[in-house]
Amino acid sequence: GEDVEQSLFLSVREGDSSVINCTYTDSSSTYLYWYKQEPGAGLQLLTYIFSNMDMKQDQRLTVLLNKKDKHLSLRIADTQTGDSAIYFCADSGTYKYIFGTGTRLKVLA
Amino acid sequence: SQTIHQWPATLVQPVGSPLSLECTVEGTSNPNLYWYRQAAGRGLQLLFYSVGIGQISSEVPQNLSASRPQDRQFILSSKKLLLSDSGFYLCACWPLGPNEKLFFGSGTQLSVL
Repeated sequence: GEDVEQSLFLSVREGDSSVINCTYTDSSSTYLYWYKQEPGAGLQLLTYIFSNMDMKQDQRLTVLLNKKDKHLSLRIADTQTGDSAIYFCADSGTYKYIFGTGTRLKVLA
Repeated sequence: SQTIHQWPATLVQPVGSPLSLECTVEGTSNPNLYWYRQAAGRGLQLLFYSVGIGQISSEVPQNLSASRPQDRQFILSSKKLLLSDSGFYLCACWPLGPNEKLFFGSGTQLSVL
C-alpha cells in the first residue's frame, strides 16, 4: 500500500534555514502536501504542490518535488521560534490522505 | 467558511467504559470525513473514513467503530475502552471540489486509565 516516510527530528538555530524531507511510494499522487501541527492542536495546511511541478515558493516556504525519486522537501528560510512544531507531509489518493510520521522541528534561540 | 467542531477537547475515561466522540462540519455538503489517531510521539494513523451517509470504511482492525448518521456528522465510538485506545483523535474533512484540501478539527486528547 501507500507509504510516506519522514525523519523524526530536526533541530536548527534561529535564523538558519530548515529542510524537512519526505519520501512517498504512490506514483499516482496528484498533489503532495505539507501540514503543520502545533502542540495540542489539529493540523493546518501549510502549502502543497501539484505533481507536475518541481518547485513552489510561498514567502519563507519552498517546496521541492523530485518525482523520479519520489522525494518531497520543505525548506523554511530564516527559521523562527514560532516555527517549532511537527511537520507532516502527505499525499492524497482517491479517497484519503496518507500522512508521514511527522518531523518535529525544534528551533534553538 | 468551512469549520469542524470536535468535542470534547480532553477526556479521561476508565478502562472498559464506552466512548463517543462527535465531529460536525459546517460550510460544506457531502464531504469525505475522516478519523485519525495520533499516539504519543507517533504519526497519524487513519482509522476510518466516510464518503457519504452510512458509508464507513475501516482502515485498521481495532476496538473502535464509526458512524455517519447525517451528512455533516461523524461519530467515533467504542463499547469498552482499552488502555491502548489512549491518544489524540482528530476529525478531518475533505470537501468536494477540484481545489479543496483536507482540513482538521482541533482534536480530542483521550486518556484511558
